Amino acid sequence: EPEVTQTPSHQVTQMGQEVILRCVPISNHLYFYWYRQILGQKVEFLVSFYNNEISEKSEIFDDQFSVERPDGSNFTLKIRSTKLEDSAMYFCASSEASIRQGAWETQYFGPGTRLLVL
Amino acid sequence: SQQGEEDPQALSIQEGENATMNCSYKTSINNLQWYRQNSGRGLVHLILIRSNEREKHSGRLRVTLDTSKKSSSLLITASRAADTASYFCATSNTGNQFYFGTGTSLTVIP
Repeated sequence: EPEVTQTPSHQVTQMGQEVILRCVPISNHLYFYWYRQILGQKVEFLVSFYNNEISEKSEIFDDQFSVERPDGSNFTLKIRSTKLEDSAMYFCASSEASIRQGAWETQYFGPGTRLLVL
Repeated sequence: SQQGEEDPQALSIQEGENATMNCSYKTSINNLQWYRQNSGRGLVHLILIRSNEREKHSGRLRVTLDTSKKSSSLLITASRAADTASYFCATSNTGNQFYFGTGTSLTVIP
């Protein structure tokens, strides 16, 4: 069964450093998402991406964050200058179609990247 | 906030018993989904129920939705030790983003 994959599984970085989290969505999916989950807290939406542009983003997704689909398979989340509070599990997800099209499709989640900022 | 809230926060049962988890939300929704998360792992989709549906089954899972009460329940029948995980409901209205609840931590004792 196709699945979303994420690399690396764990990343440790120093405060102020840039990190890039990578995701390979399911191949025929058109919509891509990033979520984060701070330890012990809710899963929070960061951003959704379609047709090479951001379609929605949350208040968390400030100028320090960016997303990119550099090629036909990868979807990346970049944090330009990490802060201690960016430590969290970051989940990538993908879906076939968006809710706005009237076709609710399940979002399939990757296993996550655990980011630790020291 | 539309975020769902699950209860109970934690549930411990014996293997073979049924487990019921509830989710309440605040605004109108298009659909509601339940996900499972094993400790430190990703989210696994369990079941989707649309706003015009009242009940749905998938294997040992039964989900109900009461839009008038803005609540949903997830029933796992004949629980197994492997069902031990956190269970989350996720809602959405018009956007692409999901709003997750705080989750119910289920422990099934062999």
